[in-house]
Amino acid sequence: SQQGEEDPQALSIQEGENATMNCSYKTSINNLQWYRQNSGRGLVHLILIRSNEREKHSGRLRVTLDTSKKSSSLLITASRAADTASYFCAPGAGTALIFGKGTTLSVSS
Amino acid sequence: DAGVIQSPRHEVTEMGQEVTLRCKPISGHNSLFWYRQTMMRGLELLIYFNNNVPIDDSGMPEDRFSAKMPNASFSTLKIQPSEPRDSAVYFCASSLAGVGETQYFGPGTRLLVL
Repeated sequence: SQQGEEDPQALSIQEGENATMNCSYKTSINNLQWYRQNSGRGLVHLILIRSNEREKHSGRLRVTLDTSKKSSSLLITASRAADTASYFCAPGAGTALIFGKGTTLSVSS
Repeated sequence: DAGVIQSPRHEVTEMGQEVTLRCKPISGHNSLFWYRQTMMRGLELLIYFNNNVPIDDSGMPEDRFSAKMPNASFSTLKIQPSEPRDSAVYFCASSLAGVGETQYFGPGTRLLVL
């Protein structure tokens, strides 16, 4: 199992701005997943991108994957206060997912 | 559909007592995972099961922790005896497509050991 490392650790933006979070990992993967955790709640799956995909969209979310650089990014466009949460990436390689420390996003109105 | 169900949602106990956390995965899911989350250590994988069989328990902190999955719809995580450093939020998650695929998390059990 391998752990993704999110960057930055914390991000503060204003409502309406875009938020970009990055994830790096070390070995080959089958997929890469992004999860969100609101304070005091369980993680919620946001999006899964397969290793043969380069970009994926879901609503205001855009995920990119660069397997040559072993990195991924999550872009949240037109952020809202409700997007305030911690965001985790999890490289999937056929073994159990290991979660890093996450990026804590604060969106102020 | 009901999501992953965990009970109790909150547990306060005294050091030395036995604690049992319960999890009901989503029906039809074949993998189940137990995690522990603290501010200091983040989200740690404790153990996971595939088709009710424990696959990897290397994350279980010590012999005081044990987990069982007697059938496809129920799992327990037991701490005996409990210690204050076990205070954390314990999450259960399940997956339909197996290890390494999308996981669905329960609401967690917030454990406080005094």
